Amino acid sequence: DAEITQSPRHKITETGRQVTLACHQTWNHNNMFWYRQDLGHGLRLIHYSYGVQDTNKGEVSDGYSVSRSNTEDLPLTLESAASSQTSVYFCASSTGLAGAQYFGPGTRLTVT
Amino acid sequence: GIQVEQSPPDLILQEGANSTLRCNFSDSVNNLQWFHQNPWGQLINLFYIPSGTKQNGRLSATTVATERYSLLYISSSQTTDSGVYFCAVPIIQGAQKLVFGQGTRLTINP
Repeated sequence: DAEITQSPRHKITETGRQVTLACHQTWNHNNMFWYRQDLGHGLRLIHYSYGVQDTNKGEVSDGYSVSRSNTEDLPLTLESAASSQTSVYFCASSTGLAGAQYFGPGTRLTVT
Repeated sequence: GIQVEQSPPDLILQEGANSTLRCNFSDSVNNLQWFHQNPWGQLINLFYIPSGTKQNGRLSATTVATERYSLLYISSSQTTDSGVYFCAVPIIQGAQKLVFGQGTRLTINP
């Protein structure tokens, strides 16, 4: 069955370190998204991609970057982790112009 | 930008009860999605419903796009229905980027 996976599921890192969160989907979806979820803020879009070599900033993109070298993967990199980036991160994918989005299981990141 | 409001913010019911969750949005949309986040944090897409009514077992959803609202109905609630229900709409019409409501936290007691 097609699925979307994230790794690691839990990560503890120190302030200032570079961290990369992986997202892999086997749906063959063109569109992929990264969200963060925080109490009081709900789900907020970080970056998104509509296809290979395409990346775009979302509403909370500062301090994050993504790259899309193939259809299946959209890794999220925190260039220099900050305590404000402690959060739960979700990856999602969808197809078509307005398709349903399907979410990965999430990664809980703690920056100490 | 488009605003999404969900009500009620919290709902506590006994097992077997029925419930209706509401999602209001401030602008025209060409799709609306309902998600369930279970107590373990997993987000499940329940419905993709730009207009009309869809049913999936005990759950059904209705979107009235002209009046800018959607309703999620849960019948004969079970404890496994507990969690947070989110609706989401495109940030602008035709876009893939979604704006999420703040959610309705549903607790089903045995």
